[in-house]
Amino acid sequence: QVRLKESGPRLVQPSQTLSVTCTVSGFSVTSYHVSWVRQPPGKGLEWVGAIWKGGSTDYNSALKSRLSISRDTSKNQVFLKMNSLQTDDTGTYYCAKLGAGVMDAWGQGASVTVSS
Amino acid sequence: DIVMTQTPSSQAVSAGEKVTMSCKSSQSLLYSENKKNYLAWYQQKPGQSPKLLISWASTRESGVPDRFIGSGSGTDFTLTISSVQAEDLAVYYCEQYYDTPWTFGGGTKLELK
Repeated sequence: QVRLKESGPRLVQPSQTLSVTCTVSGFSVTSYHVSWVRQPPGKGLEWVGAIWKGGSTDYNSALKSRLSISRDTSKNQVFLKMNSLQTDDTGTYYCAKLGAGVMDAWGQGASVTVSS
Repeated sequence: DIVMTQTPSSQAVSAGEKVTMSCKSSQSLLYSENKKNYLAWYQQKPGQSPKLLISWASTRESGVPDRFIGSGSGTDFTLTISSVQAEDLAVYYCEQYYDTPWTFGGGTKLELK
């Protein structure tokens, strides 16, 4: 059974760095691409970036300067790091498995508030 | 970036009604080499993660009821629910995966009339 679970801090101070971990089971991160999507409270979905099964990455250009996506294949985990956080980075961060180009399985999401 | 525009932003419906919602892209999502449209529809219920309903503009995911119908090509797409059920009340997003950055529409919220 495919499962993804995000974990990370619920509260981050402005200007600090957000680190969220996506732990997957039921598939290997070396066999499927993994994507990150975020959603501000009460708003729509924004694609953040992806790590391809070969290990290369692609980022939303609007976030690229602050963003890093990496993985630990031995633990089947994918990591999202975003620095210089501002209040408008508040929201839920989802990781999702990519199947044939679409996000066919999603985690429950990690809710993050950026506030002092 | 490809801009995705969904209309309406919200729609009040009654159970059993037929519902249609629109998604337009700022450029064609039809890839000429394989004749596929790189357009997906997701459903997000309150408090839940998005769920993939349809890929390639019209291919339902396994387990998705056949009342959900995706159609369209190029830049104009439609999601139709042939007979809305109470459990279909949710926000529906279209997404293009033709080119990165992948982009979503603003969503159509189905509410009870």
